[in-house]
Order: sequence, then structure tokens, then C-alpha cells
Amino acid sequence: DTGVSQNPRHKITKRGQNVTFRCDPISEHNRLYWYRQTLGQGPEFLTYFQNEAQLEKSRLLSDRFSAERPKGSFSTLEIQRTEQGDSAMYLCASSPGTAITDTQYFGPGTRLTVL
Amino acid sequence: AQSVTQLGSHVSVSEGALVLLRCNYSSSVPPYLFWYVQYPNQGLQLLLKYTSAATLVKGINGFEAEFKKSETSFHLTKPSAHMSDAAEYFCAVSQETSGSRLTFGEGTQLTVNP
Repeated sequence: DTGVSQNPRHKITKRGQNVTFRCDPISEHNRLYWYRQTLGQGPEFLTYFQNEAQLEKSRLLSDRFSAERPKGSFSTLEIQRTEQGDSAMYLCASSPGTAITDTQYFGPGTRLTVL
Repeated sequence: AQSVTQLGSHVSVSEGALVLLRCNYSSSVPPYLFWYVQYPNQGLQLLLKYTSAATLVKGINGFEAEFKKSETSFHLTKPSAHMSDAAEYFCAVSQETSGSRLTFGEGTQLTVNP
């Protein structure tokens, strides 16, 4: 396995612009998760997919955020009309099965800076 | 609701000394507990996890943690610190009623001095 990959690794944008991040999970992993991590904090859960179905969304995921996982493979996270408060590291993770105790494997993250 | 508290945002030890990173959890139902390590510019890597089997859990790189229900704790230890252990460590909890989400603590930055 090559691990979870995320692109881009860094993104700088101006307030009000839209951005999209991509996550490629480990091959054949059923579940895919998105977390957000701000400086000095632990990751915070945003949403997760089982195959192509989005099963849970955090209250942190405002209407400006949308996530998709077409065909149950890669996933995209889009932020519309970015705000300075969106500046953070966006982490993607995947797990092989559906058990809560399955290990979540994390990617290196996409660091977003909103100017 | 579930939550995790990590006591000490920064811990400094000498090489060869005992490492003790503290984690206390709050959970309304039996928890599952995890320790992750994050090196600069890398993703979080699982060190170990408690899934209601043995209360003493051994992980990678010589780390272990003990689940103590009476103390609601899951502290991470390593008998002898190595320079390569310098990183940020996160404790996380999940539970059946909260789906697959992990709830993380704020992290502890471990510094190892020569």
C-alpha cells in the first residue's frame, strides 16, 4: 500500500475564493474520513463516507463545505467563499472495514491559508 | 458525549528517561482509546489502541498504555526515551454511540534532550 495521499499539500487563497482538496485513500478501504486541525489543537472530525455514502457530518461542516466520494474511491472536499477562519490543516484518513475499532490511516494533510 | 484531556501540552525528558504522557477520557459508554504520533510534515501514525480486550496495550516503538476504568485514564509510557521519539502525541477516543468519529485531545509535544 502506498498510503493515503492528499493534494495539494499546500494551498494559499484569498478570502472569498473557492478551494477543492483531493484525498486518495488506501486501495480497497471502505471508509474515508475528513478532519480539520488548527494550530495547537488536535484534529476535529468533519465527515466520513462508507464507500460512496456520506454517513455522518459534524456541525463544524457549514453549508460552505461539501464533500463527495464518487464511486467510493477518492474524495474531494470543497470550501466555497473561504473565510480566514477556514485556515487549517485538512486531514484525510481511511480505514479498511466498518468496525469502530478499525485503525484510521491518515494522509499528510493539506494546509490551507486564507489571506 | 465523549472527550479527551491531555495533561501537559509540552513534556521534556532526557534521552534514556521514562516517558509518561497523560490522557484522561470522558465517555458515557465503554470507550475505545487510541494513541497517535505526528512527526513534522507527516500524517498521524497509530501507536496503539485499546479495544476492550487486554487493559495493558503494547504498541510500536516500545510504547505501551494501560486502560484504567476507575481513573478514566489511558496514559502512554515508554521506559527509555530515544531522540527519535520527539514528536507530537495525540490521545483519541471513540464509542459505539458516536459512530466512527475519533475525538482527539489537544496533543502533547514531546521533547527529548541529549
